[in-house]
Amino acid sequence: DAKTTQPPSMDCAEGRAANLPCNHSTISGNEYVYWYRQIHSQGPQYIIHGLKNNETNEMASLIITEDRKSSTLILPHATLRDTAVYYCIAEGGGKLIFGQGTELSVKP
Amino acid sequence: GAVVSQHPSRVICKSGTSVKIECRSLDFQATTMFWYRQFPKQSLMLMATSNEGSKATYEQGVEKDKFLINHASLTLSTLTVTSAHPEDSSFYICSASVGSLGYTFGSGTRLTVV
Repeated sequence: DAKTTQPPSMDCAEGRAANLPCNHSTISGNEYVYWYRQIHSQGPQYIIHGLKNNETNEMASLIITEDRKSSTLILPHATLRDTAVYYCIAEGGGKLIFGQGTELSVKP
Repeated sequence: GAVVSQHPSRVICKSGTSVKIECRSLDFQATTMFWYRQFPKQSLMLMATSNEGSKATYEQGVEKDKFLINHASLTLSTLTVTSAHPEDSSFYICSASVGSLGYTFGSGTRLTVV
């Protein structure tokens, strides 16, 4: 699985869009980009995943660059409950290998 | 859909005893399940992959005799921490593959060995 790089922490104002970047410059053609988040002392929660097209669901949008070397997770209207660690994972081997993630703090 | 139930949520055991953690898929058949451990302020570390009816595949550095994994049915995988010691205290999380939907996770088990 390709290595992903994320900023260790980010802040976002409540009600504003949170844009979380992820670099996966060594991603191969068959590796999906998955996003999960983990709130303290809970299991990871699935957010979204995609291969090369942009994806949107009720939680977030995933924007993948055309060369697939990076992606951005967008939470359109962040709330305090979105405070969590967000993990970007390039998956191609049938399992998820977690990096360090981004600790997102949503502030009032 | 695709819910994984993990029990217990918390367990305290004495050093030298064994502890079993269960992971059940409630509304789907889980051919492949995964076990992770997580230390405070660290990321999840994959311990092993289990496929129903076959031996688990352990990640490098994980002691297979200490962390026994059984996946005897399509809805149940268990992790047994044998002869637990304080350094085994951690947050253990199971996960299951749900095909095109990705992977779903249990709520985790906080193990404290005293």
